[in-house]
Amino acid sequence: QVQLVQSGGGVVQPGGSLRLSCAASGFSLNTFGMHWVRQAPGKALEWVAVFWSDGNHIDHAVSVQGRFSVSRDTSKNTLYLQMNSLRVEDAAVYYCARDSVPVWSYVGTFDIWGQGTIVTVSS
Amino acid sequence: VVLTQSPATLSLSPGERATLSCRAGQNVNNFLAWYQQKPGQAPRLLIYDASNRATGIPARFSGSGSGTDFTLTISSLEPEDFAVYYCQHRVGGPIFGPGTKVDLK
Repeated sequence: QVQLVQSGGGVVQPGGSLRLSCAASGFSLNTFGMHWVRQAPGKALEWVAVFWSDGNHIDHAVSVQGRFSVSRDTSKNTLYLQMNSLRVEDAAVYYCARDSVPVWSYVGTFDIWGQGTIVTVSS
Repeated sequence: VVLTQSPATLSLSPGERATLSCRAGQNVNNFLAWYQQKPGQAPRLLIYDASNRATGIPARFSGSGSGTDFTLTISSLEPEDFAVYYCQHRVGGPIFGPGTKVDLK
């Protein structure tokens, strides 16, 4: 069964760090680009970053550039989002999502989603 | 490229036809997708590349359009279709629209 199971998240103070995990099953992370998408309370979806399937490229939204990084562990088939220098405006539900086409980069359509994990940034 | 969606809210009854609009600020060709999101759930891909239904999506959902104007049509609303719908393009980076809420009249 193709699925993404997320873990991590929680409450952190402004300026703090947090790491989110996204464990994939039913497919290999080596084959698909993998994205992080977030949704602030009551707001629309916002794309955060993508890890290309070739393993050599990462693209970030301007809002998180220099603070967030994406990595993967192919032995665990798990994707990570390391979030540093967190701001109040980073508070959201964070989703990992699979790119819809198995290409070496990514297409930018999301066909499989994790269940989401809540990040709260508050003093 | 900014996306705008209209209306913000659409109040309809089961069995009625729903027509949702998405407009792009610039030409996005047919690189547009539609997602459905219910409260407390992750989004679900409905339509990709403007008019292709994703796997397992019922035939009552259809997408059309190209360039800057796109439409998602639900031919006859089922009770489970009341949700928020987002359009999303993938030109120069994925961008989502603000959403249209389809609620019960």
